[in-house]
Amino acid sequence: KAGVTQTPRYLIKTRGQQVTLSCSPISGHRSVSWYQQTPGQGLQFLFEYFSETQRNKGNFPGRFSGRQFSNSRSEMNVSTLELGDSALYLCASSLTVNEKLFFGSGTQLSVL
Amino acid sequence: GQQLNQSPQSMFIQEGEDVSMNCTSSSIFNTWLWYKQDPGEGPVLLIALYKAGELTSNGRLTAQFGITRKDSFLNISASIPSDVGIYFCAGPSNNAGNMLTFGGGTRLMVKP
Repeated sequence: KAGVTQTPRYLIKTRGQQVTLSCSPISGHRSVSWYQQTPGQGLQFLFEYFSETQRNKGNFPGRFSGRQFSNSRSEMNVSTLELGDSALYLCASSLTVNEKLFFGSGTQLSVL
Repeated sequence: GQQLNQSPQSMFIQEGEDVSMNCTSSSIFNTWLWYKQDPGEGPVLLIALYKAGELTSNGRLTAQFGITRKDSFLNISASIPSDVGIYFCAGPSNNAGNMLTFGGGTRLMVKP
């Protein structure tokens, strides 16, 4: 069974641009969560989706948004990129809510 | 918001030694999770604890859920080189599903 797949693996953008990251959950998993990992702030929760609905949102500005499609695949978007958005963005999926999370390898975003 | 304080921040030990790390919180958690992250990968769940006082093992790893529900520890016995990585404790934020709060991590380095 394939694991959580995140694309792209690496991304370089410049300030002011926008970026879209993609996540394909494990087959059959309906819940997708996103986390940001930085050396300074550690792992921080961004959002959680289940059945195309956002269930929870972390303490991030409105420039960070996401969505989930009917096939459970998810995307997150960051608009008007800032240097501080440079981070490893991790996607995790689970069968349903309150279940064990399986993380992908992440997308490493560098903002120059 | 909820915070998890993890210690030590890093450990450099000799192969074969036992390792102990812990996590404390100012608020109660109903679930404690321990993850390991290898370089370039997402976190992988090692042990999940669901009841105060619970002691759970997974091979050479043992974790306990503190009686006060505000702390947990992870022990690794007879460390080997592949134990190298960052270990994180985590718990559901406000006890809500997949919205996890993570500790700052313990970086483990093993000298052969």
